[in-house]
Amino acid sequence: TQLLEQSPQFLSIQEGENLTVYCNSSSVFSSLQWYRQEPGEGPVLLVTVVTGGEVKKLKRLTFQFGDARKDSSLHITAAQPGDTGLYLCAGERPNDYKLSFGAGTTVTVRA
Amino acid sequence: EPEVTQTPSHQVTQMGQEVILRCVPISNHLYFYWYRQILGQKVEFLVSFYNNEISEKSEIFDDQFSVERPDGSNFTLKIRSTKLEDSAMYFCASSQRPAAGEYNEKLFFGSGTQLSVL
Repeated sequence: TQLLEQSPQFLSIQEGENLTVYCNSSSVFSSLQWYRQEPGEGPVLLVTVVTGGEVKKLKRLTFQFGDARKDSSLHITAAQPGDTGLYLCAGERPNDYKLSFGAGTTVTVRA
Repeated sequence: EPEVTQTPSHQVTQMGQEVILRCVPISNHLYFYWYRQILGQKVEFLVSFYNNEISEKSEIFDDQFSVERPDGSNFTLKIRSTKLEDSAMYFCASSQRPAAGEYNEKLFFGSGTQLSVL
């Protein structure tokens, strides 16, 4: 079983539409991070959320950390083709000196 | 912006051969990590390294794997006798402080080394 479950696995939408990616777990995390990964590249950090209920905005991207710190979501408004990529959530459990990654959501935005 | 650099970008080797993957972490970082990503699968933690010793390792990191910081700048991952299932993208990462929740530390990832074992 995966520590972090991401859904959906694949998402294909038209430019201008909105999308939401979910990251769920039965474990509590001290923080959750969202990364974006391009083919052949390493993950690049988008945001870290640390407080239950926290909402962070990064231009058209909105990240939310669940109240119980077990889940998170990434919402993209008015998606653009440049948003295409693999979105990964990764969490740090208390006293766990490593990141555990979800399997990722592949987002394709069609022009 | 400072970056983690990895060499080579691609490595092809025969099964049973030894490979060394090299990484140059960001210069003022103290904590170093190796992760790997098998094609189509999730990014998996292998090992963390601090103060010249392994802090933590996963079950993937068996006796065939070792890490070393041979000088002040390089951080290497050695696979002694490669197996077909070692084929993956290997990512090095570094951070200034521990990647633990209370620090909310940002990990910087390299671009990876694609290892293909034939």
